[in-house]
Amino acid sequence: GEKVEQHESTLSVREGDSAVINCTYTDTASSYFPWYKQEAGKSLHFVIDIRSNVDRKQSQRLIVLLDKKAKRFSLHITATQPEDSAIYFCAASPYAQGLTFGLGTRVSVFP
Amino acid sequence: GPKVLQIPSHQIIDMGQMVTLNCDPVSNHLYFYWYKQILGQQMEFLVNFYNGKVMEKSKLFKDQFSVERPDGSYFTLKIQPTALEDSAVYFCASSWTGGSQNTLYFGAGTRLSVL
Repeated sequence: GEKVEQHESTLSVREGDSAVINCTYTDTASSYFPWYKQEAGKSLHFVIDIRSNVDRKQSQRLIVLLDKKAKRFSLHITATQPEDSAIYFCAASPYAQGLTFGLGTRVSVFP
Repeated sequence: GPKVLQIPSHQIIDMGQMVTLNCDPVSNHLYFYWYKQILGQQMEFLVNFYNGKVMEKSKLFKDQFSVERPDGSYFTLKIQPTALEDSAVYFCASSWTGGSQNTLYFGAGTRLSVL
């Protein structure tokens, strides 16, 4: 089955800088890659996704990149703000199968 | 935004007993999911459910596990009997459409401790 590795377990960034979280996957059949955010004491909250028919997607300050050859995808949080502090999870899924999640990256934005 | 509620937030139970975890999904959603996360490990897919039936399940979904949503009420995960290795946080999720290429809305999880 699919395996997802999330390379950074923690990330500290200065407010205003960019944070980058990298994930790799193993199953070439995976075609859907969502990202979720979990703030302290709250549930996972969908933030952005990318499908395999594109290699870049942007939503406001979030950019996701997908490199299918390398089986790698990444989340870029630009112009970070304190409210970006949270745990971020990447996930991958072949069509019509359950999502496989990474272990999560704890992002801390400091002033 | 849409909310998925999970009740209770923490459940402590003796090994061998039965436990039911309850999930109140987003009101117009049709697809329901359970995920399991053991402390320090990845969140893993257990099962998804649509139109009264299990659509797919992983190898983690043991014979002791069952899911149902009687009459549009709570979507439940029942474990009978429980084992020590069932201790984990169980996350419920729901989505409007099926296939895993759709946005899932998650609950905050139920922490199950089997003693």
